[in-house]
Amino acid sequence: NAGVTQTPKFQVLKTGQSMTLQCAQDMNHEYMSWYRQDPGMGLRLIHYSVGAGITDQGEVPNGYNVSRSTTEDFPLRLLSAAPSQTSVYFCASSYIGARGYTFGSGTRLTVV
Amino acid sequence: EDQVTQSPEALRLQEGESSSLNCSYTVSGLRGLFWYRQDPGKGPEFLFTLYSAGEEKEKERLKATLTKKESFLHITAPKPEDSATYLCAVQGVLTGGGNKLTFGTGTQLKVEL
Repeated sequence: NAGVTQTPKFQVLKTGQSMTLQCAQDMNHEYMSWYRQDPGMGLRLIHYSVGAGITDQGEVPNGYNVSRSTTEDFPLRLLSAAPSQTSVYFCASSYIGARGYTFGSGTRLTVV
Repeated sequence: EDQVTQSPEALRLQEGESSSLNCSYTVSGLRGLFWYRQDPGKGPEFLFTLYSAGEEKEKERLKATLTKKESFLHITAPKPEDSATYLCAVQGVLTGGGNKLTFGTGTQLKVEL
């Protein structure tokens, strides 16, 4: 039982490049989400999904796309990277309901 | 809009010196209040969920309590290994978005020998 696995752990992109952050969970959680964490701003929700084929926007969705074709995987795509997207990205999953999230270990992204 | 404010931003304690962290919140009907611990370079780790005013939960040296407006994380006789950032989050009944949580910015705790 690996929990929530995120790859890569570190990434440096040039402005305008695109990339996909991977997230996989093996707990059969219905709910999956992506957060970004910036100093002094806390964790902010980017996109979330309540099941395969169902996604929706969070608080800061601009510049990011998601899809959920399986229960296990929830990749986050950066369409055209900008320096403002420099951040630490966390994927989290849980069962539906007032349950605690299980977080991945994060991806530290730098856009130059 | 749900809001969470944590205080203090940073706290330095001597080993064995008990203290409390505060989490004030406004939410459209509380569905759950969550506490997480985050170590540097790692993802947040779930500690507690509290559902209604008056509820308390304990784990080792940590005890979380809840009122209608705030939650406290009490740390009794802390040890250096309790050093971490502690995050508070709420989930509202009317928030929508499935399991969406609103997080505070955290309290960075350092426990010294």
